[in-house]
Amino acid sequence: DAKTTQPNSMESNEEEPVHLPCNHSTISGTDYIHWYRQLPSQGPEYVIHGLTSNVNNRMASLAIAEDRKSSTLILHRATLRDAAVYYCMVYSGGGADGLTFGKGTHLIIQP
Amino acid sequence: SAVISQKPSRDICQRGTSLTIQCQVDSQVTMMFWYRQQPGQSLTLIATANQGSEATYESGFVIDKFPISRPNLTFSTLTVSNMSPEDSSIYLCSAGRGSNEQFFGPGTRLTVL
Repeated sequence: DAKTTQPNSMESNEEEPVHLPCNHSTISGTDYIHWYRQLPSQGPEYVIHGLTSNVNNRMASLAIAEDRKSSTLILHRATLRDAAVYYCMVYSGGGADGLTFGKGTHLIIQP
Repeated sequence: SAVISQKPSRDICQRGTSLTIQCQVDSQVTMMFWYRQQPGQSLTLIATANQGSEATYESGFVIDKFPISRPNLTFSTLTVSNMSPEDSSIYLCSAGRGSNEQFFGPGTRLTVL
């Protein structure tokens, strides 16, 4: 199963872009890259996912390196409500060792 | 999207007893998962709940300790058996369709005395 590595914490200012990195150097060719975020005392919330191409949705953008060994979650204009723990996850499919969550990055947003 | 509910939201149990956690999805899904999360830590997958067949367990988790049922496409249960204080944790259910996004329940906070 692919291991994921994320920085423990990052800090950004409100209304500025945020780039959250994730390394998944042992990813396989068919593994999907997912991002979730979690507020205190809540279940994780889906943010975005992708396979090879960069992806955009209303919440964020996902930039995937050409060799797929790393990815970056981009919040284009951070707000205070974006302060959360962000988890990168590699999904290999149903079955044993089918997915691995990183330890998460605690994103702090300064007003 | 899908809305996931879990019951109970929290419980305090005595060691040696068992607790069954229920997970209900508001629409049919192919995949359902059970996780454990210690406070301040990441999620650890316990097992994938398969409809109509035995669950698929991750390394370090066994069926005798964490029996799982999934009688249909919208419901699953996780039982934590013969509990000890080390089982105190937050247990999360999620649901999804294939490799697409997972939707998580609010979690069940378990304390074992």
